[in-house]
Amino acid sequence: GAGVSQSPSNKVTEKGKDVELRCDPISGHTALYWYRQSLGQGLEFLIYFQGNSAPDKSGLPSDRFSAERTGGSVSTLTIQRTQQEDSAVYLCASTTGSGNYGYTFGSGTRLTVV
Amino acid sequence: GEDVEQSLFLSVREGDSSVINCTYTDSSSTYLYWYKQEPGAGLQLLTYIFSNMDMKQDQRLTVLLNKKDKHLSLRIADTQTGDSAIYFCAGPRGGYQKVTFGTGTKLQVIP
Repeated sequence: GAGVSQSPSNKVTEKGKDVELRCDPISGHTALYWYRQSLGQGLEFLIYFQGNSAPDKSGLPSDRFSAERTGGSVSTLTIQRTQQEDSAVYLCASTTGSGNYGYTFGSGTRLTVV
Repeated sequence: GEDVEQSLFLSVREGDSSVINCTYTDSSSTYLYWYKQEPGAGLQLLTYIFSNMDMKQDQRLTVLLNKKDKHLSLRIADTQTGDSAIYFCAGPRGGYQKVTFGTGTKLQVIP
């Protein structure tokens, strides 16, 4: 596609429910990143994919968080048993292999856990 | 502590110059970036500079890099109300595959 697409744009869920967030990167971009932005905070790195593999998942906050990428394209971030502290904007970005020239970000998914 | 630090807020009058500052800790020779985030949107890449450069100019934007002090700045000339946004500095961490972002500087432009 023309840009990085994320869905849904907004998600309100009850505490304890599971949620899936989707990222569709720019076609041909081999690297994909998930970041989390909490209110008034900077961007917190979650996980990095190169192709379908995740060489760096050091930022996932707990084992309730997981992510996968299939076909070197779409990625899904899953949060199980959501907690209120999971409320944030989840941003996805993609880039060509080296990433030297910066990332292209999606508009994010705003997750609210009530 | 944070790997990339920025002041949280800057207020300028329309037509003045804005200077947003950033300090970083990782001295890897690589690229450093400035991103802009408007309300409700993702981050948009504004410009980047390679660590062997001291300065880069792109229209109203000037990036200055002081490698010795690990200090990066973004100057916006003739600041307009449309420049109101949050500006993020981003630098290397563990190689180019992963970038660390600062906390962002909210720029308020007063008409």
